[in-house]
Amino acid sequence: KQEVTQIPAALSVPEGENLVLNCSFTDSAIYNLQWFRQDPGKGLTSLLLIQSSQREQTSGRLNASLDKSSGRSTLYIAASQPGDSATYLCAVRPWRSQGNLIFGKGTKLSVKP
Amino acid sequence: DTAVSQTPKYLVTQMGNDKSIKCEQNLGHDTMYWYKQDSKKFLKIMFSYNNKELIINETVPNRFSPKSPDKAHLNLHINSLELGDSAVYFCASSQKGEMTGDNEQFFGPGTRLTVL
Repeated sequence: KQEVTQIPAALSVPEGENLVLNCSFTDSAIYNLQWFRQDPGKGLTSLLLIQSSQREQTSGRLNASLDKSSGRSTLYIAASQPGDSATYLCAVRPWRSQGNLIFGKGTKLSVKP
Repeated sequence: DTAVSQTPKYLVTQMGNDKSIKCEQNLGHDTMYWYKQDSKKFLKIMFSYNNKELIINETVPNRFSPKSPDKAHLNLHINSLELGDSAVYFCASSQKGEMTGDNEQFFGPGTRLTVL
């Protein structure tokens, strides 16, 4: 059974720091991995989608990597800003699924001015 | 130009009532989903519909019944609401539900259901 774990559960950093959020999954048989951002009381915003054949994806200050064989992904945020404060969720789409995502519990990020 | 929309945003109701949550997507996607986010913020799939057909029904009580009148809509009807149904319900959609790797999922803003 696929399980997704995110470490740390919470992270507080000063503005301007580069940071890394970690995601691990137990079964490497996945189609893709998706990183989301969730602001308090709001829905999920898709940040990056990495297909199983890809190693990384970049969007602006965000870079996500995928090491499928070791069951790990990282989300790198460069030059963090207070507006980056949110909960970041990692989700995988298992190989034998019908499209649904399996989510981690998220990392709550706080960037202090 | 909201891609995935849900109504209502908030729903407060008494135990035992029946309620519905509506979801619409204007992305032309084939597949729609319902997820539940519990009080610990953990998101879990409930249902998935592909072209109006149910393809996933996780271990959800049969008090929950999804209905898809067309490809762009997936509504969630809940009978005999219980305290434990209190959660945030998210609708999502993707282009494809089959076994491909390129189907990014887009989520609605969520419906916060509170059962008193």
